[in-house]
Formats: sequence, C-alpha cells, structure tokens
Amino acid sequence: DTGVSQDPRHKITKRGQNVTFRCDPISEHNRLYWYRQTLGQGPEFLTYFQNEAQLEKSRLLSDRFSAERPKGSFSTLEIQRTEQGDSAMYLCASSSPSGGLIQETQYFGPGTRLLVL
Amino acid sequence: AQSVTQPDIHITVSEGASLELRCNYSYGATPYLFWYVQSPGQGLQLLLKYFSGDTLVQGIKGFEAEFKRSQSSFNLRKPSVHWSDAAEYFCGLESNSGYALNFGKGTSLLVTP
Repeated sequence: DTGVSQDPRHKITKRGQNVTFRCDPISEHNRLYWYRQTLGQGPEFLTYFQNEAQLEKSRLLSDRFSAERPKGSFSTLEIQRTEQGDSAMYLCASSSPSGGLIQETQYFGPGTRLLVL
Repeated sequence: AQSVTQPDIHITVSEGASLELRCNYSYGATPYLFWYVQSPGQGLQLLLKYFSGDTLVQGIKGFEAEFKRSQSSFNLRKPSVHWSDAAEYFCGLESNSGYALNFGKGTSLLVTP
C-alpha cells in the first residue's frame, strides 16, 4: 500500500492556460474524490467517482473543470482557461466501501498546489 | 443546513501541556464526524472518527475526541502535546450525500518549547 499519489506536486501557470493534474488512488480503492483547498480554508468537495462513473459534481466545479477516471484506476482533473481564482491546493482522496455500519475512511494524497499568475 | 465551525483559528500551547481543539457542528441527524491533521507538505491524515457507539473516541497519536450531542460538539483532546503535533487540524462531518466530506476552516496549532 503506497498511499494516494498526485502529480505534479506544484504547478505554476499563466492565466488562460490549461492544466491537468493526475491522481493515483490506493490500488484496491474503487472510490475517488477531488477536493480544493484555498488558503485559510478547509478542503471543499469537487467531485466523486465510483469506479469509472462520475457520480457527483459540486457547484464549485465550473464548466472549465473536467475530471475523468478511465478504467476506474487513476483520475485526471483538467482546468481549462485558468483564472487567478483557481489558485489553490487540489487534493485527491480514495476509499473502499467497508460495508455495515462502519464509515469508510477517505485517504488523502499530498495535493497539487496550483498558482495561476 | 449542515455546517462545521472551528472557533479557534490559531492555538498556541507549550510542549507537554494539554490540548483541546473545539469543533461545533450543525446537522439534522446523527452525524459522521471526524478529525484530520495536515502537516506542511503532507496530505490530510485521519486522526479519529465517530459515527455511533461510545461517545469518547480514541484515535492515533494519543488523540481522543468526545461527541456531545447536547452541545453539538466534537472537541479534540490530547493530554500532553509534543512539538511534532504542530500542524493544521480539521474537524468535519460527512454530508447528506454519504460521501462528500464537509470540513471546518481548521485550527492551526503552534507548540512552543
């Protein structure tokens, strides 16, 4: 179990450019989540996958954002035409259904810090 | 509406002193509550969680939290703080969706010698 990994760890881009982030979940986890964390705030939910199906998208996820999880393994989060307000830490988490009444735990990756100039 | 409030933005304690971080929630039913810790350059790590059963929950690294329904609180405690506990602490609850986590704004803990 190598944990959730994210790439890149840091990204600096100019306004208007497109960026793509990758998340590799823990191998046996079929659920994957994206969160965004801005300075001085807690993480905010963006979207959720169960296997390859994207089951929910937050209202925070504008049309410029798209996420995929082909084959139910790794996931990518793309931001098109970046804006300065997109500067944040983008966190990925994964989990596996635990069944019963035990609430499953979301395991977080180290995040990708995006700075839009 | 469901929400989480962490009243203290910053907390400073001396190494070896006891710690209590406050968390209040608003939720219609019995919430699934948790505390995560975030160290610089590290991902969020789960300290403990509560869904049902014993209202005093033991977690990792010597932390515990107590669920108090009457006060809508889930405060985090540690009897003796170590310098390595300096980090950002997030309280939160699971949303009605059953998977999205709602986090508070966090409390930054500074540990002095």
